[in-house]
Amino acid sequence: KNEVEQSPQNLTAQEGEFITINCSYSVGISALHWLQQHPGGGIVSLFMLSSGKKKHGRLIATINIQEKHSSLHITASHPRDSAVYICAASTRPYSGGGADGLTFGKGTHLIIQP
Amino acid sequence: EPEVTQTPSHQVTQMGQEVILRCVPISNHLYFYWYRQILGQKVEFLVSFYNNEISEKSEIFDDQFSVERPDGSNFTLKIRSTKLEDSAMYFCASSGQGHPYQPQHFGDGTRLSIL
Repeated sequence: KNEVEQSPQNLTAQEGEFITINCSYSVGISALHWLQQHPGGGIVSLFMLSSGKKKHGRLIATINIQEKHSSLHITASHPRDSAVYICAASTRPYSGGGADGLTFGKGTHLIIQP
Repeated sequence: EPEVTQTPSHQVTQMGQEVILRCVPISNHLYFYWYRQILGQKVEFLVSFYNNEISEKSEIFDDQFSVERPDGSNFTLKIRSTKLEDSAMYFCASSGQGHPYQPQHFGDGTRLSIL
């Protein structure tokens, strides 16, 4: 059974700071997802990655498969980045076909103060 | 941009009653999912659906739960006899064809309150 752990659980920072959120998982995965959940509850997919690094605007996601670790970075953070950031793991092998339910971490509650 | 829509946004039901949560996935997606999030807890996988059958289900998804894709657009989750502990936010998600692990697109959720 895959366990997904995130740190920190809560993070408060000042506008403009560089933010790092960490995620580790216990078993091999086929992909690692980073998601954003806003106070209203809706969930938005930010990244899905299985190796290396991806960048979208001020967001950067990295993964180290050997160390079973991923990080989400936010550069030049802004109050609108305040949300819960969640990592989730896909464990079904690519060759398996079919749909793949995700295993979620507990999330990191990020507050960016102006 | 196409989106996953869920109805209703909030459902209040008496314990023991049946409830049906509805989802309209993105139209060309082939993989469908239900997740739940109990207040203050992490999101948990319930069930995945592909090619008109359940692909995978968690231990949470017991005989009280069922899913259906009754037509080409809707994807429903039925809870036959609700319990207090079924109170949660239920999220529907869908993902695209090609590589099985396209990013999942989530609806805004249905908040289910069991009284």
